[in-house]
Amino acid sequence: ELKVEQNPLFLSMQEGKNYTIYCNYSTTSDRLYWYRQDPGKSLESLFVLLSNGAVKQEGRLMASLDTKARLSTLHITAAVHDLSATYFCAVDNGNKLVFGAGTILRVKS
Amino acid sequence: ETGVTQTPRHLVMGMTNKKSLKCEQHLGHNAMYWYKQSAKKPLELMFVYNFKEQTENNSVPSRFSPECPNSSHLFLHLHTLQPEDSALYLCASSQEVAGGYEQFFGPGTRLTVL
Repeated sequence: ELKVEQNPLFLSMQEGKNYTIYCNYSTTSDRLYWYRQDPGKSLESLFVLLSNGAVKQEGRLMASLDTKARLSTLHITAAVHDLSATYFCAVDNGNKLVFGAGTILRVKS
Repeated sequence: ETGVTQTPRHLVMGMTNKKSLKCEQHLGHNAMYWYKQSAKKPLELMFVYNFKEQTENNSVPSRFSPECPNSSHLFLHLHTLQPEDSALYLCASSQEVAGGYEQFFGPGTRLTVL
């Protein structure tokens, strides 16, 4: 059974600093997705990573996938308040997505 | 309307009521999904439909009954729910189930069972 672990589960960030969220998964997959969820809102797709070594960047966020290590990272550069949200990774096991528990990000001024 | 829409956005029901949640996608996708999001729990997949056929039932209690009349519409019929069923119910769609297609989510229905 595929298990997906995110850490940390909560991250208090200072504006302007860099941080990384980790997503580990237990069985082979080369398809991983990152989503963002604002309080009371739905999930918004951020990145789709479909191969080993895939790297995607959008603004201050950069996601990468290492399928051999079964690890994806979401790197935040120079955090700003707008990035406060919950971030989920999800791994495709062939016919469904298995989600991590989510990482709550809070950016402090 | 664009993307994935869900109605109602909020629903309060008693344990003896019968209600339905509706999801509609305007993306031309062939796969649709129901998820449950409870406080302090990971997002749980409930049902998957691919080309109107159910392909996944993730051990969901029978008090939840899905219906997919066509590729654009998905319903979740609710009856004799329990207070622990209170959660945010999210609908999603993707081009197909297999093939690495990303899923697009609706705004969700916040359900409270009294």
